[in-house]
Amino acid sequence: EVQLVESGGGLVQPGGSLRLSCTASGFTFSNYWMTWVRQAPGKGLVWVANIREDGSEKYYVDSVKGRVTISRDNAKNSLYLQMNSLRAEDTAVYYCVRGRQFFRVWGQGTTVTVSS
Amino acid sequence: DIQMTQSPFSLSASVGDRVTITCQASQDINRNLNWYQQKSGKAPKLLIFDASNLETGVPSRFSGSGYATAFTFTISSLQPEDSATYYCQHYYNFPRTFGQGTKLEIK
Repeated sequence: EVQLVESGGGLVQPGGSLRLSCTASGFTFSNYWMTWVRQAPGKGLVWVANIREDGSEKYYVDSVKGRVTISRDNAKNSLYLQMNSLRAEDTAVYYCVRGRQFFRVWGQGTTVTVSS
Repeated sequence: DIQMTQSPFSLSASVGDRVTITCQASQDINRNLNWYQQKSGKAPKLLIFDASNLETGVPSRFSGSGYATAFTFTISSLQPEDSATYYCQHYYNFPRTFGQGTKLEIK
């Protein structure tokens, strides 16, 4: 079964850091671009970042540039999102998603809450 | 960045109705558009890709059309399980952007 499982979410103070992880199974992870998408409470979907199969290309939405880093470890079938200098507006469910153009496989999401 | 504008923001319809949602791109995106369904508390699900291609396993009552800046998503005969929020999303360039969503309620 193709599956993505996120972890690492939680409550963090403004200005703090958090590292999200996503473990893939059921497919050849190293063959796919991967994506993070977030959704603030009661709001719509926001594409956050993309990473190429080999990690050589990365793209970010402007609102996280300089604060967030997407990375991957193909040997561990894992995708990461390092988030620094967190703000209240980063509060959201973060989804790990397979794909670059078509988002066919989604994880269940991990919740990040930025609050003092 | 390309802006995606969906309408309506919400709608209410009855079982069996034909429902249409529109999505307008702020610039020409060819046919680089997808449609997703998100049910409450769940991850989104891809329904339509490349503007008009039905994803495998998705009922044929769902369809999409359009090109360049104007796109349409249609449910030909609404079913109770179609209650959800629907999003368009472009992949013409980076950053990818989603429409703001259309919440569909069944009367």
